[in-house]
Amino acid sequence: DVKVTQSSRYLVKRTGEKVFLECVQDMDHENMFWYRQDPGLGLRLIYFSYDVKMKEKGDIPEGYSVSREKKERFSLILESASTNQTSMYLCASSPPQARGGYTFGSGTRLTVV
Amino acid sequence: AQSVTQLGSHVSVSEGALVLLRCNYSSSVPPYLFWYVQYPNQGLQLLLKYTSAATLVKGINGFEAEFKKSETSFHLTKPSAHMSDAAEYFCAATYGGSQGNLIFGKGTKLSVKP
Repeated sequence: DVKVTQSSRYLVKRTGEKVFLECVQDMDHENMFWYRQDPGLGLRLIYFSYDVKMKEKGDIPEGYSVSREKKERFSLILESASTNQTSMYLCASSPPQARGGYTFGSGTRLTVV
Repeated sequence: AQSVTQLGSHVSVSEGALVLLRCNYSSSVPPYLFWYVQYPNQGLQLLLKYTSAATLVKGINGFEAEFKKSETSFHLTKPSAHMSDAAEYFCAATYGGSQGNLIFGKGTKLSVKP
């Protein structure tokens, strides 16, 4: 069964910590995406990547960075976590053009205290 | 800018009643269209997709959606709601292009009353 795996389901971090959220897909997909989801705001795109070592800013990249050193892995980095980054983070992947849609991971619920 | 609009952020139905969740897209060029479901504290799961093969698309869990070009709509329906259908539902579209990023609606939370 093909899947997108996010390393943690729940995470609690302290303000100012550097936080890594990991996402791995086993479908050989070129495209990978990071979203955050907050009540009433829907899904907001943080960063995406169409290929290894490339990245593009989404709608809300401030306070985040990403790394894609291997095709199957896309990491989201919070350089210095803040309480307003408490959220549900969703990773997704797709082939080019996404005509079959995205495959999502199970999500990481991050709480910054 | 291209967009996807879901009418109603919350919909409540009784168990056994018809479920109708509305989605409209903004383009004269029909996109590829999708409905996703999200159960609490989980990721999004694909319910069904429209890729121009047939206007009535059947998905998992008894859901279906009809593509209507004249109305630029892709509403999701289920004849009889079940308690297990309570979840958030997202409509999404891709208009192609070199990479074809999905554009998501803001979601509709479905509640099912016993």
